[in-house]
Amino acid sequence: EAGVTQSPTHLIKTRGQQATLRCSPISGHTSVYWYQQALGLGLQFLLWYDEGEERNRGNFPPRFSGRQFPNYSSELNVNALELEDSALYLCASSPVATGELFFGEGSRLTVL
Amino acid sequence: QKEVEQDPGPLSVPEGAIVSLNCTYSNSAFQYFMWYRQYSRKGPELLMYTYSSGNKEDGRFTAQVDKSSKYISLFIRDSQPSDSATYLCAMTGGTGGFKTIFGAGTRLFVKA
Repeated sequence: EAGVTQSPTHLIKTRGQQATLRCSPISGHTSVYWYQQALGLGLQFLLWYDEGEERNRGNFPPRFSGRQFPNYSSELNVNALELEDSALYLCASSPVATGELFFGEGSRLTVL
Repeated sequence: QKEVEQDPGPLSVPEGAIVSLNCTYSNSAFQYFMWYRQYSRKGPELLMYTYSSGNKEDGRFTAQVDKSSKYISLFIRDSQPSDSATYLCAMTGGTGGFKTIFGAGTRLFVKA
């Protein structure tokens, strides 16, 4: 069974640009979560999607947004990139509302 | 006060030692408790998933939850160099829905 897949693996952008990160959940999982892991910091909750709807949002500015598609895949958009947005962005999927998260390998975003 | 507190370490032990990792939390509504292992530059991997107070054992790993004290532990028996990683506690459920909150992670080094 395929795990959670994320793309791209690495992404380099400059300040002010936009970044789009993509995630495909495990087959049968309807919930997708996004986390930010900055260097030396823990996982910070960004967004939670379930059945195509945004269910919860972490303490991040509105320039962090995303969506979930009918096939349950998801994308995370970060607008007006700032240097401090440089981090590993992790996507996780979960069976229906169990809180049990299965993570992808992450997308490493570097903002120059 | 953070919702979840975890000593970041690092914790260094000799091979074969018993390792004890701990987290405390403040939100009494949390219902599900998890431990993840994260190797460098990889996504977190679910190790243990528990619901309610008590112990759960899986091979060399034992997870312990004490809801009355808001305290969870992970014990690793006969530790191996391959156990060297960052261990993250996580919890979810309750009034916050299934927004999973993570501890900062404890870096563990097991010396051969």
